[in-house]
Amino acid sequence: EDQVTQSPEALRLQEGESSSLNCSYTVSGLRGLFWYRQDPGKGPEFLFTLYSAGEEKEKERLKATLTKKESFLHITAPKPEDSATYLCAVQAGSGYALNFGKGTSLLVTP
Amino acid sequence: SQTIHQWPATLVQPVGSPLSLECTVEGTSNPNLYWYRQAAGRGLQLLFYSVGIGQISSEVPQNLSASRPQDRQFILSSKKLLLSDSGFYLCAWIKGEGYTFGSGTRLTVV
Repeated sequence: EDQVTQSPEALRLQEGESSSLNCSYTVSGLRGLFWYRQDPGKGPEFLFTLYSAGEEKEKERLKATLTKKESFLHITAPKPEDSATYLCAVQAGSGYALNFGKGTSLLVTP
Repeated sequence: SQTIHQWPATLVQPVGSPLSLECTVEGTSNPNLYWYRQAAGRGLQLLFYSVGIGQISSEVPQNLSASRPQDRQFILSSKKLLLSDSGFYLCAWIKGEGYTFGSGTRLTVV
């Protein structure tokens, strides 16, 4: 059975304190790994898609990387506005569904 | 522009009452559409997807049903709500690399 596990469940950082969020996955036939940001009471907002091991993508203070077993979302010098829940999802096999992890709740304090 | 609309934003319904949530997209034709549910402490779960008018696939057995009466309209329904139907319901479609989600409906069954 496909599994997606995100860690930590919650992370508190001071502004400027860089860190990484982890998404480990067990799937057959990975087609894509997705990162989303979700603010309270809102729908997830698309950040990145990674397709193969070794791939990296960047957007402002965020950088996503992918290996054969896990993905990292690196946050460099975070700001309070980066506070949100970050969701990881995988698409595998021939199905349409995205299999989501439970997310990491990030709080960045001034 | 391509947008996705979902309503209502919040809903409180008694157990046993019917449900109808609507999702519409603009600026595209023949999109693949999805209904996801996000329950407290759990990841997003795919409920239904549709690749065209009248075509519905269900991912999990449940008390809910879906319909696609028009190309850009996707409806989630229930004849009799259960307490376990409470959650955050999200409509989504594939736009570019990632799935784009609507703003969601917070359903509380009391």
